[in-house]
Amino acid sequence: GQQVMQIPQYQHVQEGEDFTTYCNSSTTLSNIQWYKQRPGGHPVFLIQLVKSGEVKKQKRLTFQFGEAKKNSSLHITATQTTDVGTYFCAGRVRTGTASKLTFGTGTRLQVTL
Amino acid sequence: DTAVSQTPKYLVTQMGNDKSIKCEQNLGHDTMYWYKQDSKKFLKIMFSYNNKELIINETVPNRFSPKSPDKAHLNLHINSLELGDSAVYFCASSQGKGFLSNQPQHFGDGTRLSIL
Repeated sequence: GQQVMQIPQYQHVQEGEDFTTYCNSSTTLSNIQWYKQRPGGHPVFLIQLVKSGEVKKQKRLTFQFGEAKKNSSLHITATQTTDVGTYFCAGRVRTGTASKLTFGTGTRLQVTL
Repeated sequence: DTAVSQTPKYLVTQMGNDKSIKCEQNLGHDTMYWYKQDSKKFLKIMFSYNNKELIINETVPNRFSPKSPDKAHLNLHINSLELGDSAVYFCASSQGKGFLSNQPQHFGDGTRLSIL
């Protein structure tokens, strides 16, 4: 079945450093979504990428969808303590009229002063 | 005015018991989901319903039975609870007609199930 892996599993940075998480799918995706889950919280939708090579920015966050639509990345510039949480990518695969969203394994980000 | 609400928030019970978790969404969405998040934070889809119809049923023991009385509600009943069922269960909803939905998923706060 479809697998969506993220690396790293965990990263600890000091406030002000940059952070990147990478998402890789075993199959070509029709689109990819990114979610953030704060400790003790629930996943919250951040963004969706649809086109091959697409790049979107939200303030300090930059999201990229690979040319082959099998990988994606999330880059945070100058992290802040409010960025702490687990970041999930979720890839959608279409099969005929059906589609399914598979969540990645997640990257837990810890930010210290 | 919570969008996706689950009850209870915490559930502590003994092995072998039967329990239910309820979920309601007031977003007018067509599709609802149940996810299981284990201690390693892996988020796995269990079931999905579109307008009361089951559309996704992953490899889940048949001790788990979802029920959707209407498109705003999706409940999860678990029979004969086992230690391995301990996890956080999230309900979610999204707009669109299930299979073709490209819309974001809105999650509830989760139900933390602990089996003693």
